Amino acid sequence: QSALTQPPSASGTLGQRVSISCSGSGSNLGDNSVNWYQHLPGTAPKLLIFSNSQRPSGVPDRFSGSKSGTSASLAISGLQSEDEAEYYCAAWDDNLMGVVFGGGTRLTVL
Amino acid sequence: EVQLLESGGGLVQPGGSLRLSCEASGFTFSNSAMTWVRQAPGKGLEWVSTISGGSTSTHYADSVRGRFTISRDNSKGTLYLLMTSLRGEDTAVYYCAKVSAGMAHFDFWGQGTLVTVSS
Repeated sequence: QSALTQPPSASGTLGQRVSISCSGSGSNLGDNSVNWYQHLPGTAPKLLIFSNSQRPSGVPDRFSGSKSGTSASLAISGLQSEDEAEYYCAAWDDNLMGVVFGGGTRLTVL
Repeated sequence: EVQLLESGGGLVQPGGSLRLSCEASGFTFSNSAMTWVRQAPGKGLEWVSTISGGSTSTHYADSVRGRFTISRDNSKGTLYLLMTSLRGEDTAVYYCAKVSAGMAHFDFWGQGTLVTVSS
């Protein structure tokens, strides 16, 4: 069982806005920033959001992140077919002294 | 352009050992912490280990502590993961990644190398 909890699946239609949640505890999201990764099968994972809400260069502004207390959220607006992928949240955990990932959310674009 | 190229994966018997390598280029390797993350078949991403730029600090997941050893050679720009006492549950694609400002902030990833532990 992952230290960070994500819904196993999410879906939306083209152009729609979807949101993926990530729930943790005081030792991870409560004290540390969250990062989000996009992973397509057979490819290298890609950094999508860092430090809760920052986008690396090249990531479209359709992707946004937020964090409040021990919960975080990734929002994708103007959903496109290429957004169909697995999404993971990750954070440092002060108790485990290691990085914890969420279980991943598979996004389906209908 | 940052590039990370893993190698060393393959088929190994339970109880055996394997050493993975990750050749880095396109950035000042010695200035960056590096990490290993794996994905078992049908499972999500799992952090394995992280090493600081100067090798003064290492961290391991509980699932591999005492069996895996992370190291680096800054003169060669290469990261390593020595895996011993391998188990079936270690079967996974292993990715190396560059650590950026935060300990869970991995800004560049390699394509991965597959490790299969089976008799």
